Amino acid sequence: KAGVTQTPRYLIKTRGQQVTLSCSPISGHRSVSWYQQTPGQGLQFLFEYFSETQRNKGNFPGRFSGRQFSNSRSEMNVSTLELGDSALYLCASSLMGAGYNEQFFGPGTRLTVL
Amino acid sequence: SQELEQSPQSLIVQEGKNLTINCTSSKTLYGLYWYKQKYGEGLIFLMMLQKGGEEKSHEKITAKLDEKKQQSSLHITASQPSHAGIYLCGADQRGKLIFGQGTELSVKP
Repeated sequence: KAGVTQTPRYLIKTRGQQVTLSCSPISGHRSVSWYQQTPGQGLQFLFEYFSETQRNKGNFPGRFSGRQFSNSRSEMNVSTLELGDSALYLCASSLMGAGYNEQFFGPGTRLTVL
Repeated sequence: SQELEQSPQSLIVQEGKNLTINCTSSKTLYGLYWYKQKYGEGLIFLMMLQKGGEEKSHEKITAKLDEKKQQSSLHITASQPSHAGIYLCGADQRGKLIFGQGTELSVKP
């Protein structure tokens, strides 16, 4: 089985712009979670989608949003980018979600905001 | 809210030596994950522990879950340079994972 894929792998944006990241889960997995990783805050949960519905949400501002399509692929969007949004964004897929099954992570998208 | 604390924060060992990394939770653990990460890359799933007293092994890595102590440990036997990286523990918090700050492991040949 192919693993979790994320595109693009690297992005450079300027403040005020918006960005869309994509995640394709492992075939058959219905849960996709997104995480932000920074040197200062570590790995932090953004949100989880299951069968096209947001099931869990972390403590991030409304500028961070996401969606999931019927094929389980997921996108996250960050609007009005700030310097502090520079981070490695990771998505993870699992059959039913964290706590039920293993979560497998993609390679991440490195976002740099200038 | 639940917090995870890993110790040590960093570790340098000679190749062939054994080592242990600990993960302590501020609340009861219901599901504990161990991941390995190479700098700037994605997380590699190592093991998931769900029951108190559970112990799992994969190659030279063994993880245990002690629910009473709200703690998990990861033990590497006869370390190799390929074991180098950042080890992260994650706990299930009602459907989302929270993570420790990570333990950076270096293995000297």
